[in-house]
Amino acid sequence: AQSVTQLGSHVSVSEGALVLLRCNYSSSVPPYLFWYVQYPNQGLQLLLKYTSAATLVKGINGFEAEFKKSETSFHLTKPSAHMSDAAEYFCAVSGNAGNNRKLIWGLGTSLAVNP
Amino acid sequence: DAMVIQNPRYQVTQFGKPVTLSCSQTLNHNVMYWYQQKSSQAPKLLFHYYDKDFNNEADTPDNFQSRRPNTSFCFLDIRSPGLGDAAMYLCATSKAGPIETQYFGPGTRLLVL
Repeated sequence: AQSVTQLGSHVSVSEGALVLLRCNYSSSVPPYLFWYVQYPNQGLQLLLKYTSAATLVKGINGFEAEFKKSETSFHLTKPSAHMSDAAEYFCAVSGNAGNNRKLIWGLGTSLAVNP
Repeated sequence: DAMVIQNPRYQVTQFGKPVTLSCSQTLNHNVMYWYQQKSSQAPKLLFHYYDKDFNNEADTPDNFQSRRPNTSFCFLDIRSPGLGDAAMYLCATSKAGPIETQYFGPGTRLLVL
Protein backbone atom coordinates (compact mmCIF):
# COMPACT_ATOMS: atom_id res chain seq x y z
CA ALA A 1 0.00 0.00 0.00
CA GLN A 2 1.11 3.55 -0.64
CA SER A 3 0.41 6.81 1.16
CA VAL A 4 1.58 10.41 1.18
CA THR A 5 1.75 12.87 4.04
CA GLN A 6 2.23 16.55 3.44
CA LEU A 7 3.25 18.29 6.63
CA GLY A 8 1.63 21.67 6.94
CA SER A 9 -1.61 22.41 5.13
CA HIS A 10 -0.68 26.10 4.99
CA VAL A 11 2.77 27.60 4.57
CA SER A 12 3.48 31.31 4.46
CA VAL A 13 6.77 32.85 3.35
CA SER A 14 8.03 36.29 2.47
CA GLU A 15 8.90 37.16 -1.08
CA GLY A 16 12.53 36.24 -1.65
CA ALA A 17 12.63 33.71 1.18
CA LEU A 18 13.27 29.99 0.91
CA VAL A 19 10.28 27.82 0.12
CA LEU A 20 10.19 24.37 1.76
CA LEU A 21 7.15 22.15 1.32
CA ARG A 22 7.36 18.79 3.02
CA CYS A 23 6.28 15.43 1.66
CA ASN A 24 6.78 12.01 3.22
CA TYR A 25 5.68 8.83 1.57
CA SER A 26 5.07 5.21 2.37
CA SER A 27 5.39 2.59 -0.33
CA SER A 28 5.82 -1.17 -0.43
CA VAL A 29 7.27 -0.93 -3.94
CA PRO A 30 9.91 1.40 -5.38
CA PRO A 31 8.09 4.70 -5.61
CA TYR A 32 7.70 7.24 -8.29
CA LEU A 33 7.06 10.66 -6.77
CA PHE A 34 5.49 13.76 -8.22
CA TRP A 35 4.86 17.37 -7.27
CA TYR A 36 2.01 19.22 -8.90
CA VAL A 37 0.97 22.86 -8.55
CA GLN A 38 -2.59 24.14 -8.82
CA TYR A 39 -3.50 27.79 -9.24
CA PRO A 40 -7.04 28.90 -8.34
CA ASN A 41 -9.71 27.47 -10.63
CA GLN A 42 -7.17 25.70 -12.79
CA GLY A 43 -6.00 22.17 -13.37
CA LEU A 44 -2.85 20.62 -11.96
CA GLN A 45 0.50 21.33 -13.56
CA LEU A 46 3.42 18.95 -13.18
CA LEU A 47 6.33 20.64 -11.40
CA LEU A 48 8.73 17.71 -11.28
CA LYS A 49 8.97 13.97 -10.80
CA TYR A 50 11.32 11.36 -9.36
CA THR A 51 11.64 8.18 -11.38
CA SER A 52 14.61 6.41 -9.75
CA ALA A 53 17.30 8.23 -11.70
CA ALA A 54 18.94 11.24 -10.03
CA THR A 55 17.83 11.81 -6.44
CA LEU A 56 17.93 15.58 -6.87
CA VAL A 57 15.27 16.54 -9.35
CA LYS A 58 14.98 19.95 -10.94
CA GLY A 59 11.60 21.15 -12.15
CA ILE A 60 9.94 24.16 -13.66
CA ASN A 61 9.76 27.64 -12.15
CA GLY A 62 12.98 27.16 -10.16
CA PHE A 63 11.67 24.35 -7.97
CA GLU A 64 13.60 21.24 -7.06
CA ALA A 65 13.11 18.24 -4.82
CA GLU A 66 15.40 15.65 -3.30
CA PHE A 67 14.46 12.00 -2.88
CA LYS A 68 15.76 10.63 0.41
CA LYS A 69 15.01 6.97 0.77
CA SER A 70 16.32 6.74 4.34
CA GLU A 71 13.90 9.48 5.40
CA THR A 72 11.10 8.43 2.99
CA SER A 73 10.90 12.07 1.98
CA PHE A 74 10.58 14.12 -1.19
CA HIS A 75 10.52 17.73 -0.02
CA LEU A 76 10.02 20.56 -2.50
CA THR A 77 12.23 23.63 -2.32
CA LYS A 78 12.82 26.91 -4.07
CA PRO A 79 15.61 29.26 -3.01
CA SER A 80 13.68 32.49 -3.45
CA ALA A 81 9.90 32.76 -3.40
CA HIS A 82 8.07 34.90 -5.90
CA MET A 83 4.55 36.26 -5.55
CA SER A 84 3.50 34.12 -8.50
CA ASP A 85 4.37 30.96 -6.51
CA ALA A 86 1.27 31.39 -4.35
CA ALA A 87 -0.79 28.29 -5.10
CA GLU A 88 -1.77 24.84 -3.86
CA TYR A 89 0.92 22.17 -4.06
CA PHE A 90 0.24 18.45 -4.14
CA CYS A 91 2.68 15.61 -3.64
CA ALA A 92 1.75 12.23 -5.10
CA VAL A 93 3.23 8.73 -5.23
CA SER A 94 2.75 5.80 -7.57
CA GLY A 95 4.32 2.43 -8.20
CA ASN A 96 5.16 0.72 -11.45
CA ALA A 97 2.66 -2.07 -11.92
CA GLY A 98 -1.01 -2.85 -11.79
CA ASN A 99 -3.04 -0.89 -9.30
CA ASN A 100 0.12 0.70 -7.95
CA ARG A 101 0.32 2.82 -11.08
CA LYS A 102 -2.51 5.04 -9.84
CA LEU A 103 -1.49 8.26 -8.15
CA ILE A 104 -1.95 8.45 -4.40
CA TRP A 105 -2.27 12.06 -3.37
CA GLY A 106 -1.30 14.08 -0.35
CA LEU A 107 -3.82 16.51 1.05
CA GLY A 108 -2.01 19.50 -0.39
CA THR A 109 -0.17 22.51 0.98
CA SER A 110 -1.38 26.01 0.33
CA LEU A 111 1.55 28.38 -0.15
CA ALA A 112 1.10 32.07 0.56
CA VAL A 113 3.80 34.54 -0.42
CA ASN A 114 3.84 37.84 1.43
CA PRO A 115 5.31 41.01 -0.10
CA ASP B 1 1.13 22.61 -28.39
CA ALA B 2 -0.04 19.19 -27.31
CA MET B 3 -2.57 19.50 -24.54
CA VAL B 4 -5.59 18.32 -22.62
CA ILE B 5 -8.71 20.38 -23.28
CA GLN B 6 -11.84 20.48 -21.17
CA ASN B 7 -15.12 22.06 -22.13
CA PRO B 8 -16.87 23.93 -20.81
CA ARG B 9 -14.70 25.57 -18.12
CA TYR B 10 -17.78 26.38 -16.07
CA GLN B 11 -21.04 24.45 -16.15
CA VAL B 12 -24.23 25.27 -14.32
CA THR B 13 -26.94 22.65 -14.08
CA GLN B 14 -30.10 22.08 -12.10
CA PHE B 15 -30.61 19.51 -9.42
CA GLY B 16 -31.44 16.23 -11.13
CA LYS B 17 -30.79 17.46 -14.69
CA PRO B 18 -28.28 15.29 -16.58
CA VAL B 19 -25.04 16.96 -17.53
CA THR B 20 -22.08 15.93 -19.69
CA LEU B 21 -18.56 17.19 -19.36
CA SER B 22 -16.06 16.66 -22.14
CA CYS B 23 -12.34 16.15 -22.41
CA SER B 24 -10.13 15.91 -25.46
CA GLN B 25 -6.41 15.49 -25.88
CA THR B 26 -3.81 15.96 -28.57
CA LEU B 27 -1.08 14.07 -26.70
CA ASN B 28 -2.09 10.74 -28.22
CA HIS B 29 -2.04 9.16 -24.76
CA ASN B 30 -3.84 5.88 -24.32
CA VAL B 31 -4.84 6.38 -20.68
CA MET B 32 -7.47 8.92 -19.65
CA TYR B 33 -8.69 9.74 -16.16
CA TRP B 34 -11.55 11.61 -14.56
CA TYR B 35 -11.11 13.15 -11.14
CA GLN B 36 -13.46 14.99 -8.84
CA GLN B 37 -11.95 17.71 -6.68
CA LYS B 38 -13.85 19.53 -3.97
CA SER B 39 -12.69 22.74 -2.38
CA SER B 40 -9.39 22.48 -0.49
CA GLN B 41 -9.16 18.73 -1.13
CA ALA B 42 -6.96 16.48 -3.17
CA PRO B 43 -8.30 15.11 -6.46
CA LYS B 44 -10.36 11.94 -6.12
CA LEU B 45 -10.13 9.41 -8.94
CA LEU B 46 -13.55 8.47 -10.34
CA PHE B 47 -12.50 6.15 -13.18
CA HIS B 48 -9.97 5.71 -15.90
CA TYR B 49 -9.55 4.08 -19.30
CA TYR B 50 -6.63 2.04 -20.51
CA ASP B 51 -7.36 2.34 -24.20
CA LYS B 52 -10.97 1.14 -24.30
CA ASP B 53 -10.80 -0.77 -21.03
CA PHE B 54 -12.90 1.01 -18.43
CA ASN B 55 -11.81 0.93 -14.78
CA ASN B 56 -14.25 2.18 -12.19
CA GLU B 57 -13.16 3.06 -8.67
CA ALA B 58 -15.04 1.07 -6.06
CA ASP B 59 -16.46 4.14 -4.34
CA THR B 60 -17.54 6.03 -7.47
CA PRO B 61 -21.32 6.56 -7.29
CA ASP B 62 -23.49 4.92 -9.95
CA ASN B 63 -24.68 8.40 -10.82
CA PHE B 64 -21.37 8.93 -12.63
CA GLN B 65 -20.79 7.33 -16.01
CA SER B 66 -18.16 7.73 -18.66
CA ARG B 67 -17.73 7.19 -22.37
CA ARG B 68 -14.63 7.10 -24.49
CA PRO B 69 -15.64 6.94 -28.16
CA ASN B 70 -12.07 7.23 -29.44
CA THR B 71 -8.50 7.84 -28.27
CA SER B 72 -8.87 11.60 -28.23
CA PHE B 73 -12.16 12.11 -26.45
CA CYS B 74 -13.64 11.16 -23.11
CA PHE B 75 -16.93 12.21 -21.52
CA LEU B 76 -18.20 12.32 -17.98
CA ASP B 77 -21.95 11.95 -17.61
CA ILE B 78 -23.67 12.78 -14.36
CA ARG B 79 -27.13 11.30 -14.65
CA SER B 80 -28.89 13.08 -11.80
CA PRO B 81 -26.66 15.71 -10.24
CA GLY B 82 -27.12 16.43 -6.57
CA LEU B 83 -25.91 19.41 -4.62
CA GLY B 84 -23.03 17.30 -3.36
CA ASP B 85 -21.75 16.81 -6.91
CA ALA B 86 -20.77 20.47 -7.22
CA ALA B 87 -17.01 20.34 -7.65
CA MET B 88 -14.13 20.79 -10.05
CA TYR B 89 -13.87 17.91 -12.50
CA LEU B 90 -10.42 17.23 -13.84
CA CYS B 91 -9.45 15.18 -16.84
CA ALA B 92 -5.94 13.80 -17.12
CA THR B 93 -4.04 11.66 -19.59
CA SER B 94 -0.93 9.53 -19.52
CA LYS B 95 0.99 7.14 -21.71
CA ALA B 96 0.83 3.59 -20.40
CA GLY B 97 4.16 2.29 -19.19
CA PRO B 98 6.26 1.79 -16.08
CA ILE B 99 6.12 5.48 -15.26
CA GLU B 100 2.75 6.99 -16.01
CA THR B 101 3.04 10.72 -15.70
CA GLN B 102 -0.38 12.32 -15.70
CA TYR B 103 -1.07 15.57 -17.53
CA PHE B 104 -4.13 17.54 -16.57
CA GLY B 105 -6.63 19.71 -18.34
CA PRO B 106 -7.80 23.04 -16.90
CA GLY B 107 -10.86 21.48 -15.31
CA THR B 108 -14.59 22.11 -15.45
CA ARG B 109 -16.21 23.68 -12.43
CA LEU B 110 -19.71 22.33 -11.98
CA LEU B 111 -22.35 24.26 -10.10
CA VAL B 112 -25.63 22.54 -9.18
CA LEU B 113 -28.60 24.76 -8.43
